[in-house]
Amino acid sequence: DAGVIQSPRHEVTEMGQEVTLRCKPISGHDYLFWYRQTMMRGLELLIYFNNNVPIDDSGMPEDRFSAKMPNASFSTLKIQPSEPRDSAVYFCASSLALGARDFGPGTRLTVT
Amino acid sequence: GENVGLHLPTLSVQEGDNSIINCAYSNSASDYFIWYKQESGKGPQFIIDIRSNMDKRQGQRVTVLLNKTVKHLSLQIAATQPGDSAVYFCAEKISGDKLIFGTGTRLQVFP
Repeated sequence: DAGVIQSPRHEVTEMGQEVTLRCKPISGHDYLFWYRQTMMRGLELLIYFNNNVPIDDSGMPEDRFSAKMPNASFSTLKIQPSEPRDSAVYFCASSLALGARDFGPGTRLTVT
Repeated sequence: GENVGLHLPTLSVQEGDNSIINCAYSNSASDYFIWYKQESGKGPQFIIDIRSNMDKRQGQRVTVLLNKTVKHLSLQIAATQPGDSAVYFCAEKISGDKLIFGTGTRLQVFP
């Protein structure tokens, strides 16, 4: 089991550019979560999916953020346009039903 | 990972001693709790979980205690090792499938 896979691991981009983060959940898991971690706010839930359907996106900061899950093995988190305050580590996690989340290694995003 | 907060509490223990990390949770209706360990540059890693119908659960070198009366959760690590050095987060499931994480405690193990 390769665990949750995220790409890229590091992303450096300029303000105003579009950023796309990718996630492959663990096969068979029916829940997928996107989290953001910063020094000031800790680990925040942005959005989660159940069986590829977005269930709760109340944590998405604003309209610049969007997430999709076109199939059970792939999800994207997109930021357009990106801003310096979006700099953070973004984690994808997956789980079976109400079980504990398995986290990916994260994508460290730096927006200059 | 970005887990160094300005006010992240730190617990320093000597190798071989037992560690106790505490967590106060917010919602009396929470029915599921998890402890995660996060090492620098990595994602949170599951350690142990407990449901609200239990007050204690043991794993390998770790024990979680749940006190619903005062909404308190603790993680006990026996014979702490240098590899246990990390930030530890408690998480509670408050509704549906939402899991809310605490701010974390940094555990430092010195020889």
